[in-house]
Amino acid sequence: RKEVEQDPGPFNVPEGATVAFNCTYSNSASQSFFWYRQDCRKEPKLLMSVYSSGNEDGRFTAQLNRASQYISLLIRDSKLSDSATYLCVVNIGRASGYALNFGKGTSLLVTP
Amino acid sequence: NAGVTQTPKFQVLKTGQSMTLQCAQDMNHEYMSWYRQDPGMGLRLIHYSVGAGITDQGEVPNGYNVSRSTTEDFPLRLLSAAPSQTSVYFCASSYSGRGEKLFFGSGTQLSVL
Repeated sequence: RKEVEQDPGPFNVPEGATVAFNCTYSNSASQSFFWYRQDCRKEPKLLMSVYSSGNEDGRFTAQLNRASQYISLLIRDSKLSDSATYLCVVNIGRASGYALNFGKGTSLLVTP
Repeated sequence: NAGVTQTPKFQVLKTGQSMTLQCAQDMNHEYMSWYRQDPGMGLRLIHYSVGAGITDQGEVPNGYNVSRSTTEDFPLRLLSAAPSQTSVYFCASSYSGRGEKLFFGSGTQLSVL
C-alpha cells in the first residue's frame, strides 16, 4: 500500500463549480499535512497547510480526519486558473531526518 | 529574491556519461533535498541534507551522489547515466526540514539516451 494515495482524476468541472479531493495516508504517526499545487511542467508550490481543526484560505478549505487518516481539499467557485495538479503531502517527521511523502497528484481541469 | 536556483533546465546525456545538477538557495535554509518526478509516480526523494556536511539517502538513491560543503549549495551527481534516470529533477529547500514549507527550484528535464 502506498503511503499517500490520491485519485489521479482528471476532474473536469465547469467554472463556478465546487470540487473536492480526498487523500488517504497509511502512517498513523504522520505529523503534518499539506496541499501543494503543480502547474504543467512547473515546480510544486505550497497551496496550504492542513491543520487538525480544518482551515480555510479564500475559496480553499482543507480538512484533516486523523481517525480515518485522510485529508481533503475543497475548492469553491472554481476558476479557470485553478486548473492544475494538486499534490497531497504528508510528513512523518522522523527524528533522524525528515520524510515528506508526496501523493501522485489529482489533476483538475476547469472549463469555461 | 532568487530562492532556489537549479541548473541546467534541460540536459541530454548518453548512457554512461556523468554530470552534475546544480542547486543553490539564498534563504539560509538548513534543509535541502533532491526529488525526481516521473509520469504516474509522483515525487520521490533521492537524497537530502539537514545541514552542511550532513547528507542522507531518500527513497531512490541508487546511481546518485550528493555532497553539502556549504549551506547554499547541494549538487546532485549522476555517476554513470542510465536511461532509467530520464526524469524531471527538482531541488527543494526549507528552513529546518521538519515539515514546514518547501521551496522548489524550477526543475531540470534530463533525458538519457
